[in-house]
Amino acid sequence: SQQGEEDPQALSIQEGENATMNCSYKTSINNLQWYRQNSGRGLVHLILIRSNEREKHSGRLRVTLDTSKKSSSLLITASRAADTASYFCATDVPQGGSEKLVFGKGTKLTVNP
Amino acid sequence: DAGVIQSPRHEVTEMGQEVTLRCKPISGHNSLFWYRQTMMRGLELLIYFNNNVPIDDSGMPEDRFSAKMPNASFSTLKIQPSEPRDSAVYFCASSTGTGYNEQFFGPGTRLTVL
Repeated sequence: SQQGEEDPQALSIQEGENATMNCSYKTSINNLQWYRQNSGRGLVHLILIRSNEREKHSGRLRVTLDTSKKSSSLLITASRAADTASYFCATDVPQGGSEKLVFGKGTKLTVNP
Repeated sequence: DAGVIQSPRHEVTEMGQEVTLRCKPISGHNSLFWYRQTMMRGLELLIYFNNNVPIDDSGMPEDRFSAKMPNASFSTLKIQPSEPRDSAVYFCASSTGTGYNEQFFGPGTRLTVL
């Protein structure tokens, strides 16, 4: 079953604009991670936010976490064409002693020059 | 430092043939993951090893799939016999510690079964 689901599925913006992607999940988590995937490539880790954190920054990225609403958002400020990629949230799911990440289906971001 | 290495990068085979995908994790990482990505189902975890031991293989679709990790620097995912519905991109990822930590993905193997 899907733990994290991103919204929107696709987003198209102009260079210089901000992009906001959302992730909702179903069960309690220890941490939430965001990954980027360029076309034809593997996923690349962007940022990890723990359940006791509300906001985290990394360069032009800002991630927020609202555990009461079971949701997270990823904001990319001053977007560039090179930010064009799919973005995935991943949540930890403890299952029978196994600790693993469950990925959403992603938001496909297109930044037009 | 070399990242996660996967081979082959592309594989085209005919239905019924055996397919073996290979992965070399980042040195020092003790967790290794095999994922499958398709448009319909997204990114699915197939199997997860920790210290070369399979911890969770609940995502392995059926007996046609098997995975091994004979040592800390090598893992294989085998499909025998292959079917057209196995066509997907298969990723290997590695991490330190448990499955909750940041994962480093390889470039993937694009498998096409005709």
